[in-house]
Amino acid sequence: DAKTTQPTSMDCAEGRAANLPCNHSTISGNEYVYWYRQIHSQGPQYIIHGLKNNETNEMASLIITEDRKSSTLILPHATLRDTAVYYCIVRVAVKRNTPLVFGKGTRLSVIA
Amino acid sequence: EAQVTQNPRYLITVTGKKLTVTCSQNMNHEYMSWYRQDPGLGLRQIYYSMNVEVTDKGDVPEGYKVSRKEKRNFPLILESPSPNQTSLYFCASSLSIRVGAYNEQFFGPGTRLTVL
Repeated sequence: DAKTTQPTSMDCAEGRAANLPCNHSTISGNEYVYWYRQIHSQGPQYIIHGLKNNETNEMASLIITEDRKSSTLILPHATLRDTAVYYCIVRVAVKRNTPLVFGKGTRLSVIA
Repeated sequence: EAQVTQNPRYLITVTGKKLTVTCSQNMNHEYMSWYRQDPGLGLRQIYYSMNVEVTDKGDVPEGYKVSRKEKRNFPLILESPSPNQTSLYFCASSLSIRVGAYNEQFFGPGTRLTVL
């Protein structure tokens, strides 16, 4: 699976959009981009995933560049409850076992 | 409410005293998995199960056992716990693992285990 690079930490003002970048320059054609987050010591929570098209759901939007070498997770109106570690994971969907490989992620702090 | 539950949430025990951490899901998921999370090492998979009576080792299975007698339950057993198994444990489940498909993994709330 391709390696990802994320900033260690970011701050965001409450109510503003939080844009979390992820570099995955070695991504291959059949690898998806997934985002999970983990609020302090709770179980990780799935946010969104995509292959090449931009995706949006009730939690967030995922913007993937045309060359697929990077992506951005967007939380449109960040709240204090969005403070968490956000993990960008690149992985092939075609696998019998799918352990999720969580890197260090980005620690997002939403500030009032 | 669809969820993955774990019990106990917190446990302090002593070396060598057998313990079981239970995991249950109410979503009729086929796939279940156990992870441990340690500072600086991230989440690592211990064991997983593709379906009832089908289990297999993950990346760090030593010192652990699992069973999958029913679809909803996937207990983690430590026959003789040691201090290096002090960790935060998460159970996860997903609908199925099929070639070409992806189903999000739902995680339990975690079990913080301390082995003295």
